[in-house]
Amino acid sequence: NAGVTQTPKFRVLKTGQSMTLLCAQDMNHEYMYWYRQDPGMGLRLIHYSVGEGTTAKGEVPDGYNVSRLKKQNFLLGLESAAPSQTSVYFCASSYPPGGSPYEQYFGPGTRLTVT
Amino acid sequence: GENVEQHPSTLSVQEGDSAVIKCTYSDSASNYFPWYKQELGKRPQLIIDIRSNVGEKKDQRIAVTLNKTAKHFSLHITETQPEDSAVYFCAAKGGSGNTGKLIFGQGTTLQVKP
Repeated sequence: NAGVTQTPKFRVLKTGQSMTLLCAQDMNHEYMYWYRQDPGMGLRLIHYSVGEGTTAKGEVPDGYNVSRLKKQNFLLGLESAAPSQTSVYFCASSYPPGGSPYEQYFGPGTRLTVT
Repeated sequence: GENVEQHPSTLSVQEGDSAVIKCTYSDSASNYFPWYKQELGKRPQLIIDIRSNVGEKKDQRIAVTLNKTAKHFSLHITETQPEDSAVYFCAAKGGSGNTGKLIFGQGTTLQVKP
């Protein structure tokens, strides 16, 4: 079991460029989440999904889009990157069959720098 | 809106001492409270959690207490060791329904001095 994986691990973008971060999980979890982590601000929820084909906004959704076309994958897109989106991005998943929806398992993170 | 406040933001203790981190939450409907540990450059990992029908839970050197009336919960680490040095995050179930959403505190950087 690889658990939750994220690609890429690091990325540098110029202002205005676009990119997609990929999250994959092999635990058959129903729910998936994207967070950003900034110093002194904890983990803030960007978007989340409660099942294949569904997505919803979290606390800080502006400037990001997501898609969940397959149960095991959750993509985070930045259409026009801004320096304020420089952050570490974590994906997480939860809710295995018959399990708890609240025990979230995190991926290793993607460090994004926008110049 | 929903909010989780965590204190202190930094905590330094001598090896062998105890450490206590406190969180307060705003949503009285929250019924699940996990704690995550994040070592430098690593992913957050769940270390202990508590549900609202329980007042205290222990796992070896760590324990969590919950006071639903006051809407606060705490992490207690006894006999601290250098490998306990990390950032600790508390969280509370967020929102109505069964979305699995968590609201995280701002984090506490714990330093255990040998």
